[in-house]
Amino acid sequence: NAGVTQTPKFQVLKTGQSMTLQCAQDMNHEYMSWYRQDPGMGLRLIHYSVGAGITDQGEVPNGYNVSRSTTEDFPLRLLSAAPSQTSVYFCASRSTGGYYGYTFGSGTRLTVV
Amino acid sequence: AQSVTQPDIHITVSEGASLELRCNYSYGATPYLFWYVQSPGQGLQLLLKYFSGDTLVQGIKGFEAEFKRSQSSFNLRKPSVHWSDAAEYFCAVGARSGGYNKLIFGAGTRLAVHP
Repeated sequence: NAGVTQTPKFQVLKTGQSMTLQCAQDMNHEYMSWYRQDPGMGLRLIHYSVGAGITDQGEVPNGYNVSRSTTEDFPLRLLSAAPSQTSVYFCASRSTGGYYGYTFGSGTRLTVV
Repeated sequence: AQSVTQPDIHITVSEGASLELRCNYSYGATPYLFWYVQSPGQGLQLLLKYFSGDTLVQGIKGFEAEFKRSQSSFNLRKPSVHWSDAAEYFCAVGARSGGYNKLIFGAGTRLAVHP
């Protein structure tokens, strides 16, 4: 089925470890973004991309890196995980003409111990 | 600064009862407003959206929302709740920042439905 695919669904990391959360979409969407969801705070924008090779920071970018080498993929990297990064991470995408019509993935639940 | 407030963290209703979830926004221009639903372990699904025109918006699953500019509100309603409506609901406003159309979310309202 067409959509946004996130892997893994669950992950436990030790403080200081690194990992990459994967996000792939097969809808040829130009715009992609990463959000984190924390209790009582809704979803907050981490990084976004308006096309291959173009990325920028959102509201809470510290501790995260992104790159966009292809239209389909938008991985999120944690270089040195911290307990404050324990959260549920959502990837979303939309077409250029889709304005605010985002499609969300099913999320990655990350725990940093 | 743009913001979204959902005053109710948790709401419990009986199956078959009516439902209203509150949402207030702060935005300088005409807002683009959304309601999303998140079922346990799932991503976010768009219920409905308001861009312009008729202030009463119909969505999926029998939900509707009314935009009231004078009250800066966009409350979500359903006349008769089903047990499958138990989920978390997020109100969001669209905001343009640095050439990017992003969504600003409220903290969410968790809905429980009693049989």
